[in-house]
Amino acid sequence: GESVGLHLPTLSVQEGDNSIINCAYSNSASDYFIWYKQESGKGPQFIIDIRSNMDKRQGQRVTVLLNKTVKHLSLQIAATQPGDSAVYFCAENRRDSGGYQKVTFGTGTKLQVIP
Amino acid sequence: ETGVTQSPTHLIKTRGQQVTLRCSSQSGHNTVSWYQQALGQGPQFIFQYYREEENGRGNFPPRFSGLQFPNYSSELNVNALELDDSALYLCASSLGQASGYTFGSGTRLTVV
Repeated sequence: GESVGLHLPTLSVQEGDNSIINCAYSNSASDYFIWYKQESGKGPQFIIDIRSNMDKRQGQRVTVLLNKTVKHLSLQIAATQPGDSAVYFCAENRRDSGGYQKVTFGTGTKLQVIP
Repeated sequence: ETGVTQSPTHLIKTRGQQVTLRCSSQSGHNTVSWYQQALGQGPQFIFQYYREEENGRGNFPPRFSGLQFPNYSSELNVNALELDDSALYLCASSLGQASGYTFGSGTRLTVV
């Protein structure tokens, strides 16, 4: 089967520490991965993306790492702030056997920042 | 530059009824995707439209259908509503089919 899943449903981090959110995927045909942040009552917000021909990409305070060998994706947040508290989703974008785009979201990890 | 807007924000329908949800994509975006998000779960992909044609579909029955208009806005139609259709319905737009999506705040549908 195919799946995009997260290892930890809830992650508690002290303010100022670094956060690491992990995601496993099973479909090796996926060519594009995205991390989203969703705050309560809002739609998911794009954080950072990475294509399958890369293994690392950095943004402002965030880094995404892609390990295609073990089909693992991670999001690192540096110097975590209270405003980072939210649910984080990884999403996988690929073309299926019919040539159509298909997007699969993981179940989400809730990040709680402790002041 | 406006973001993605969805209407209505909340909606209550009776089982068996039909519903139409609307989405205005972000300016310049030609691709629209729809998602269903049940409480406490990740968004589930319903379908995607690119230049007015459906070019991707998740595991949803045919009673979930959609349209994309020449201005790239979109509608999601659900027929014969069931109680399990109660969820947050999210619309997202992007420029191209494999790029980051901008999501709207969603429509909260409750089926009673």
